[in-house]
Amino acid sequence: DAGITQSPRHKVTETGTPVTLRCHQTENHRYMYWYRQDPGHGLRLIHYSYGVKDTDKGEVSDGYSVSRSKTEDFLLTLESATSSQTSVYFCATRRGTDEETQYFGPGTRLLVL
Amino acid sequence: SQQGEEDPQALSIQEGENATMNCSYKTSINNLQWYRQNSGRGLVHLILIRSNEREKHSGRLRVTLDTSKKSSSLLITASRAADTASYFCATLSGTYKYIFGTGTRLKVLA
Repeated sequence: DAGITQSPRHKVTETGTPVTLRCHQTENHRYMYWYRQDPGHGLRLIHYSYGVKDTDKGEVSDGYSVSRSKTEDFLLTLESATSSQTSVYFCATRRGTDEETQYFGPGTRLLVL
Repeated sequence: SQQGEEDPQALSIQEGENATMNCSYKTSINNLQWYRQNSGRGLVHLILIRSNEREKHSGRLRVTLDTSKKSSSLLITASRAADTASYFCATLSGTYKYIFGTGTRLKVLA
């Protein structure tokens, strides 16, 4: 798992509440990613970071924001959770442009009621 | 929309048999990777094949890439019950972004 942890691992929340998911890595990898996984869709990229304070949108970024204030942490925030954001969220890292392999965290199961 | 589409969506075989799964993609790529996901876990990288390679082996895994057809296949030989998992292809298009396929669920029966 390349030293990647995600917290919380499970969360139940109500529609309209803000939610923050945390990804923490100990490998000093430069790039970090947030994906969501839903049945029939595989993994879809939400946001990614190519350095501290450098982030960009993926294909399903609406309703999500991210922050990366230090190398090891990448936060994903749902500003106002909706039922359509019920999903499993995975964080991934990549060492840098010299290596294309991604390393994944264990995932966070989020249920929005 | 997903760039990668995998075929079949699900596959059930007996232990010892070979398993083949296919991936198609839509745009030009730098490389294509295959990942495995055990139930309830994160993805694990299996093998990477670059756009200028046609075939690559790693243990019981064999990957082929046909850029003219925009397709790749993953062959697992002499499958084991422990190979039961979902398998995803992923393409790196550009510097940062990965696009994953929808996955093939493989079940190996003992």
